[in-house]
Amino acid sequence: DIQMTQSPSYVSASIGDRVTITCRASEGISSYLGWYQQKPGKAPQLLIYSAFTLQSGVPSRFSGSGSGTDFTLTISSLQAEDFATYFCLQADTFPLTFGGGTKVEIK
Amino acid sequence: QVTLRESGPALVKPTQTLTLTCSISGFSISSSGMSVSWVRQPPGRAFEWLALIDWDGDKYYSPSLGTRLTISRDTSKTQVGLTLTNADPEDTATYFCARNGLGSFIDLWGQGTLVTVSP
Repeated sequence: DIQMTQSPSYVSASIGDRVTITCRASEGISSYLGWYQQKPGKAPQLLIYSAFTLQSGVPSRFSGSGSGTDFTLTISSLQAEDFATYFCLQADTFPLTFGGGTKVEIK
Repeated sequence: QVTLRESGPALVKPTQTLTLTCSISGFSISSSGMSVSWVRQPPGRAFEWLALIDWDGDKYYSPSLGTRLTISRDTSKTQVGLTLTNADPEDTATYFCARNGLGSFIDLWGQGTLVTVSP
């Protein structure tokens, strides 16, 4: 299985801050990486797929980069509605595997 | 509106078989390129992908659980089922069904259903 190592596990940030979250794959996955946001009690929402393609309706303050084994999700200016948990998913190879998640909390 | 909704028992005893149903609306699983996955999230832990069935009826399973899992769909293609045999307390989790509508990427999730395995 491809292991996805996500960091950090927690981020304490203020509104307006730039936040960066990374996922590292245990082997190359080309650009088959997606990023999701989950709020408590809600279904996860797709933010970015294919490493950098913004899902329809997602604000442009979210961006993704990377290929191969190292990927980054950036929130350029954190908004109140962005406090949530974020996780990555590799969709290159079965079994699909997820990162451990990053909780973005209010400082 | 495209939706997925999970249903099933909230409580299952160890060794029993867990059966879940995903009711789909707004899209057809028989449409080329569409697939549905089951994913679970144990309390406080990361998501774990379990199984996928694609538009052609091909099935893919997590190797770690493969022999215990069966994914299926009904002939009307509006429901996808998952059975997990020999339930164990370690199977306690919120179970989600999700649409893989962008290749293998999950683009839509159900709300999830919490299943507890306990005597």
